Amino acid sequence: DVKVTQSSRYLVKRTGEKVFLECVQDMDHENMFWYRQDPGLGLRLIYFSYDVKMKEKGDIPEGYSVSREKKERFSLILESASTNQTSMYLCASRSGVSEAFFGQGTRLTVV
Amino acid sequence: DQQVKQNSPSLSVQEGRISILNCDYTNSMFDYFLWYKKYPAEGPTFLISISSIKDKNEDGRFTVFLNKSAKHLSLHIVPSQPGDSAVYFCAATFSSGSARQLTFGSGTQLTVLP
Repeated sequence: DVKVTQSSRYLVKRTGEKVFLECVQDMDHENMFWYRQDPGLGLRLIYFSYDVKMKEKGDIPEGYSVSREKKERFSLILESASTNQTSMYLCASRSGVSEAFFGQGTRLTVV
Repeated sequence: DQQVKQNSPSLSVQEGRISILNCDYTNSMFDYFLWYKKYPAEGPTFLISISSIKDKNEDGRFTVFLNKSAKHLSLHIVPSQPGDSAVYFCAATFSSGSARQLTFGSGTQLTVLP
């Protein structure tokens, strides 16, 4: 069974902290994505990666960075967390022209 | 500039009736479209997709229709069930080239009333 696993379901962090969100997939997919979901705005793409060590900016990359050292793992980094980064973060993976599979999401609150 | 739009934030339907969720897109290069369903505090799950070479795709109670000339797609759920209550997102992408990401709409909250 296909699986995308995000390391935390809920996180509370302080303003200014460096935050790491981890995502692992077991499907050998080459493409991995980080989205955030906010009410009324849908899912917005932050960054994606199409191969190990390769990354591309999405629609809202400001304040974020990513790391992909291994094919199965894609990390999202908030360099200095701010309250406007409070959101639901969703990791996904995809191979070729197929559906993307999503993790269960991480609800991040920055206080 | 939103390339994929879902203009109805919410929809309420009686159990057993048809639910119709709509989606419009502006980029005529999109050629593969998907619908996802999302419950609160969970990740989206894939429902159904359609390629631009088709105008209809059916899977059980779910049917997606694509009107390329109008740049419009719709998801029909028949009959609607209370368990269908969720947020529905449409997404669009390209089947070739280097762009691999899905572009999502803002979602429609479907409520099926018992």
